[in-house]
Amino acid sequence: GAVVSQHPSRVICKSGTSVKIECRSLDFQATTMFWYRQFPKQSLMLMATSNEGSKATYEQGVEKDKFLINHASLTLSTLTVTSAHPEDSSFYICSARDPAGVNSPLHFGNGTRLTVT
Amino acid sequence: GDSVTQMEGPVTLSEEAFLTINCTYTATGYPSLFWYVQYPGEGLQLLLKATKADDKGSNKGFEATYRKETTSFHLEKGSVQVSDSAVYFCALSPGGGSNYKLTFGKGTLLTVNP
Repeated sequence: GAVVSQHPSRVICKSGTSVKIECRSLDFQATTMFWYRQFPKQSLMLMATSNEGSKATYEQGVEKDKFLINHASLTLSTLTVTSAHPEDSSFYICSARDPAGVNSPLHFGNGTRLTVT
Repeated sequence: GDSVTQMEGPVTLSEEAFLTINCTYTATGYPSLFWYVQYPGEGLQLLLKATKADDKGSNKGFEATYRKETTSFHLEKGSVQVSDSAVYFCALSPGGGSNYKLTFGKGTLLTVNP
């Protein structure tokens, strides 16, 4: 079945540094990918929609200069957390839409646990 | 805006017990409703879905019926197994063909003991 690979699974970084998270669709071309953020005991909150070859669409309240999204190919989207601060510590999850998928509109990565010290 | 409220866990059951996880939603129009499951160390997987009122989604012994009159989509399973231990998320997507922008509930952790 369709697989989305997200890397790294865990990352610890120092305050002020930048961190890049990759999301790859392994066996399908994903024209659209989504980035979610999950706080402990909270819902998954959609951060942005990433469209191949165009600028990402950010949800209200999400800083686009803080969370840089690049979708340079049909199989790869990246999220870069710039100048990270401890409040950016969270669980980030990507998902990808398989245009050919009938029964499962979205496939999810395993998530990235970011800890900013 | 759209929202999903689901039963807060954690829920702990013995094997072969009956499971219900409540989910209610608020949305305009005619959303599609989903249950996703996240097993330990894995990504979210679609468990079942329903796209219109009175539809019943089912998979792996789990069922949920789209109830428009009560705006609910409760998840049920008659006899749970240890392997069902996971986090379950109720979600909706707006109608009108935008069948991919999901709004999630907070998730319910289910632990099934042998």
